[in-house]
Amino acid sequence: QTVVTQEPSFSVSPGGTVTLTCGLSSGSVSRSNYPSWYQQTPGQAPRTLIYSTDSRSSGVPDRFSGSFLGNKAALTITGAQAEDECDYYCALYMGNGALWVFGTGTKLTVL
Amino acid sequence: QVQVVESGGGVVQPGRSLRLSCAASGFTFNRYGMHWVRQAPGKGLEWVAIIWYDGSNRYYADSVKGRFTISRDNSKNTVYLEMNSLRVEDTAVYYCARRSGHDSFDFWGQGTVVTVSS
Repeated sequence: QTVVTQEPSFSVSPGGTVTLTCGLSSGSVSRSNYPSWYQQTPGQAPRTLIYSTDSRSSGVPDRFSGSFLGNKAALTITGAQAEDECDYYCALYMGNGALWVFGTGTKLTVL
Repeated sequence: QVQVVESGGGVVQPGRSLRLSCAASGFTFNRYGMHWVRQAPGKGLEWVAIIWYDGSNRYYADSVKGRFTISRDNSKNTVYLEMNSLRVEDTAVYYCARRSGHDSFDFWGQGTVVTVSS
């Protein structure tokens, strides 16, 4: 069973930079997994931030960027703001029957 | 603007059935695949199912395969999730989301709550 791993929690100072990662329990994440990233505040629906590794969704501030870090997908927030404090999820397209898998999620604290 | 609105959630006993609906607007519905994604209380997101833009293909997570059926009516711009043999562990907020052209989830509804409890 495929497990997509994320850091359970991360902390960043206001104005600081943080990089969250998204990996596979076995193997490397690649562009063919179409990594995407979602932001979710408590009680709200997810909001799409990044798709296809590094493309920003419409209306998403440019302080959010996507990339690869080694064998993982990565989401970098440059100049973190208080409103960025929430949960972040990645998702990978696994193919083999059009299966998508979400990561375990990262709770980001800005303080 | 693009909008997807879920409905049909509620409280149901284990073993019973429920049908969720997702009404879409603001885009050409019959050109897009549609997903269902769920989130159990205090847990992360879990992909549930997808249906192709024309209904020709449907795929499911192992956790719901054989119990849930996704379908769509392009004349009504609506996608459905028929949930049978419900279990306590199916309790979750169920979100409908549009499949983007880049194999991600680009627009999400606000979700509908399903509680399976005796």
